[in-house]
Amino acid sequence: AQKITQTQPGMFVQEKEAVTLDCTYDTSDPSYGLFWYKQPSSGEMIFLIYQGSYDQQNATEGRYSLNFQKARKSANLVISASQLGDSAMYFCAMREHNNNAGNMLTFGGGTRLMVKP
Amino acid sequence: DTGVSQDPRHKITKRGQNVTFRCDPISEHNRLYWYRQTLGQGPEFLTYFQNEAQLEKSRLLSDRFSAERPKGSFSTLEIQRTEQGDSAMYLCASTIDRGYGYTFGSGTRLTVV
Repeated sequence: AQKITQTQPGMFVQEKEAVTLDCTYDTSDPSYGLFWYKQPSSGEMIFLIYQGSYDQQNATEGRYSLNFQKARKSANLVISASQLGDSAMYFCAMREHNNNAGNMLTFGGGTRLMVKP
Repeated sequence: DTGVSQDPRHKITKRGQNVTFRCDPISEHNRLYWYRQTLGQGPEFLTYFQNEAQLEKSRLLSDRFSAERPKGSFSTLEIQRTEQGDSAMYLCASTIDRGYGYTFGSGTRLTVV
């Protein structure tokens, strides 16, 4: 079974509007972390935001916020006030803390976001 | 601290040739990871080092792949007898123990013709 599922291969959003990118995950580990990365066409993975499984509040970083619904196993990324520079691939990733001595990340298949002027 | 550096950025090679990629992590990061990303997909874990020790390898890492991290500093990933299916972006990332700040390099894009 897929551990990270991103069901939106591509999304359009109008500049200055908000957009939500979906991510669901599957784990039996009670301790885990969820990450969102942005990958522009240049290739580098840029860290956006992190949510720990025991965090009580949803994470926020500037225009990025993570809508964490633990019972539903979802960790959606919300980008407010979209900018043209937000056009990129976005990846959701998970790190399970037990049975993962190497702390590897497992990534979803990504969502391509295109911001329209 | 200039981040994680990968070299080369692009590599085109003929099928059957050997290729080697290099990754220079952030100097104080003791953990180093290699991932492979095929077109339109998310990165997949290949292998990881803690200092100079290679502690885990994915099933994706066939016998044609070998990775080293001498002295716990830079790392190399070698692919022998390349195949067209090896065409992908190879990403390197580093972090510290218990940290959650993984820093990725810009990747090496390999094209096997």
